[in-house]
Amino acid sequence: SQQGEEDPQALSIQEGENATMNCSYKTSINNLQWYRQNSGRGLVHLILIRSNEREKHSGRLRVTLDTSKKSSSLLITASRAADTASYFCATPSHYKSGNTPLVFGKGTRLSVIA
Amino acid sequence: DAGVTQSPTHLIKTRGQQVTLRCSPKSGHDTVSWYQQALGQGPQFIFQYYEEEERQRGNFPDRFSGHQFPNYSSELNVNALLLGDSALYLCASSLDSTYEQYFGPGTRLTVT
Repeated sequence: SQQGEEDPQALSIQEGENATMNCSYKTSINNLQWYRQNSGRGLVHLILIRSNEREKHSGRLRVTLDTSKKSSSLLITASRAADTASYFCATPSHYKSGNTPLVFGKGTRLSVIA
Repeated sequence: DAGVTQSPTHLIKTRGQQVTLRCSPKSGHDTVSWYQQALGQGPQFIFQYYEEEERQRGNFPDRFSGHQFPNYSSELNVNALLLGDSALYLCASSLDSTYEQYFGPGTRLTVT
């Protein structure tokens, strides 16, 4: 079963606008990761946020994590046409240190119109 | 520094045949995980290899098997292919002690 669920399923914005995607999950986690996928190819790791962090930045990306609500959000500021992709959140399948399999939602399809 | 590589890029097989997909992990990584991604879905975990052993397995039948070699590269084998096995197969490499997984470009398998 899928742990994370992204919302919305699809999002269309104009270039220069901000895009916000949300992820909800079901069980306790020690980290949450966001990935990008272009045109059904490989996933690119964007950012990891640990359970003891509330917010993290990387370039134009801002990720928040609310463990009490079991939710996370990904904000892309000043979007570009090249940001058009599917975005997935991924959580560990079980709570342990180190490497555990990831559980993905169905993703948010972002379209940035020039 | 080469990232994760996978071969082949695309593959077309007939129902009932067998297929082998290959993955070379990112330099320095010791753990390889395989995922299946159906169209419009998120990736689903198949299994993970560490120290040449299958360490964890997802909810996939025994038709799916794998191997990890001493140089950490890995193979995914699927026997008795079904139409439903058509998907993008993704390999991810990582260090055993870390959370981040780095994905290859995938192999698109079509079963006719």
